[in-house]
Amino acid sequence: NAGVMQNPRHLVRRRGQEARLRCSPMKGHSHVYWYRQLPEEGLKFMVYLQKENIIDESGMPKERFSAEFPKEGPSILRIQQVVRGDSAAYFCASSQSGDGYTFGSGTRLTVV
Amino acid sequence: AQKITQTQPGMFVQEKEAVTLDCTYDTSDPSYGLFWYKQPSSGEMIFLIYQGSYDQQNATEGRYSLNFQKARKSANLVISASQLGDSAMYFCAMKRKNRDDKIIFGKGTRLHILP
Repeated sequence: NAGVMQNPRHLVRRRGQEARLRCSPMKGHSHVYWYRQLPEEGLKFMVYLQKENIIDESGMPKERFSAEFPKEGPSILRIQQVVRGDSAAYFCASSQSGDGYTFGSGTRLTVV
Repeated sequence: AQKITQTQPGMFVQEKEAVTLDCTYDTSDPSYGLFWYKQPSSGEMIFLIYQGSYDQQNATEGRYSLNFQKARKSANLVISASQLGDSAMYFCAMKRKNRDDKIIFGKGTRLHILP
């Protein structure tokens, strides 16, 4: 029973490019949460999705960021036209019913 | 609104000593859960311990215990007999229970275990 799988582990993008981060939840989990961690800071909530629905996107920046969790396939966090300030670790967590989160290992995004 | 406060940005503790990491929280919900996570230098988030707001006893998991004082809204993590491998960032977090909701994290405490 694989855990939450995030890929890539490390991603380097030039300013202005697009970054696509993937998250495959644990088997049987239908709730996915994305968090961002800036260096030396805690995790900040970005968005909460269930299959094909965005439940809470109160932590998402208004521009350039989007997330989806399609019926089939992983959840995707997309950052368009990346800037240096987007450099961070992005964590995905999944749960079955809203309790009992399991975190992935994160994607470290570096914008150069 | 929910809020988690960790007032110790960093701590240094001698190996084999016990250590207490402070966490206070604020919520108006009567039913909630409190979590502690460990983040070593490798970066992954490791779940340590969970306490429900209606649990009668303080949670324990091996060398980890949670000193839950509901009236004071505190949920301190106690690590007994600290080891060098305990050096890491530690995050306190909370979530409204039985609701589709996000976990809110504190800013963390960096723990250094000295040999």
